[in-house]
Amino acid sequence: AQTVTQSQPEMSVQEAETVTLSCTYDTSENNYYLFWYKQPPSRQMILVIRQEAYKQQNATENRFSVNFQKAAKSFSLKISDSQLGDTAMYFCAFMKLPGAGSYQLTFGKGTKLSVIP
Amino acid sequence: DTGVSQNPRHKITKRGQNVTFRCDPISEHNRLYWYRQTLGQGPEFLTYFQNEAQLEKSRLLSDRFSAERPKGSFSTLEIQRTEQGDSAMYLCASSYRGGLTEAFFGQGTRLTVV
Repeated sequence: AQTVTQSQPEMSVQEAETVTLSCTYDTSENNYYLFWYKQPPSRQMILVIRQEAYKQQNATENRFSVNFQKAAKSFSLKISDSQLGDTAMYFCAFMKLPGAGSYQLTFGKGTKLSVIP
Repeated sequence: DTGVSQNPRHKITKRGQNVTFRCDPISEHNRLYWYRQTLGQGPEFLTYFQNEAQLEKSRLLSDRFSAERPKGSFSTLEIQRTEQGDSAMYLCASSYRGGLTEAFFGQGTRLTVV
């Protein structure tokens, strides 16, 4: 079974600064996908960024980028130029490669990020 | 298209009562998922449909829980004889078949069992 660990229950960052959220995972799979989801207060979860394990290049999406260290089973999210709208719960999630019969996401417990004006 | 829709948004029920939640996925999405999220935890997988077929069920889905997707469109999740431990946010998500595609989540149904 896969496990996802987010060791930072809460974090805060000043507006316009950079913050990094940590995530580690445990799996025996060689090919898989990793995701960061954002859940704003009272709103639905949305995908921030995803990474295919077979790709060495770290994924980037505008102000969001990841540091994927496959050997260390680490997948951190960096948010640059933090904005007030980034205030949310952030969940790291794992999915085995589709075709293995499962499309379920395994989530960490989340990190509550507060962006301070 | 307004995304994944879940109803009701909130439900308060007495212990022992049955409750049913509905999820309307994005129209062209043929995969549908149910997750449960308790306070301070990340979502936990409950079950997965591809069209009308329920292909995967978690061990979390006890025999008091049943999910259906009769015509491959909307889905219902029923909890019989509710217990206080069933209090949680129930999330529905959908995605389009065709390789790996993003799962879109609804806003969830918050269940409180009193």
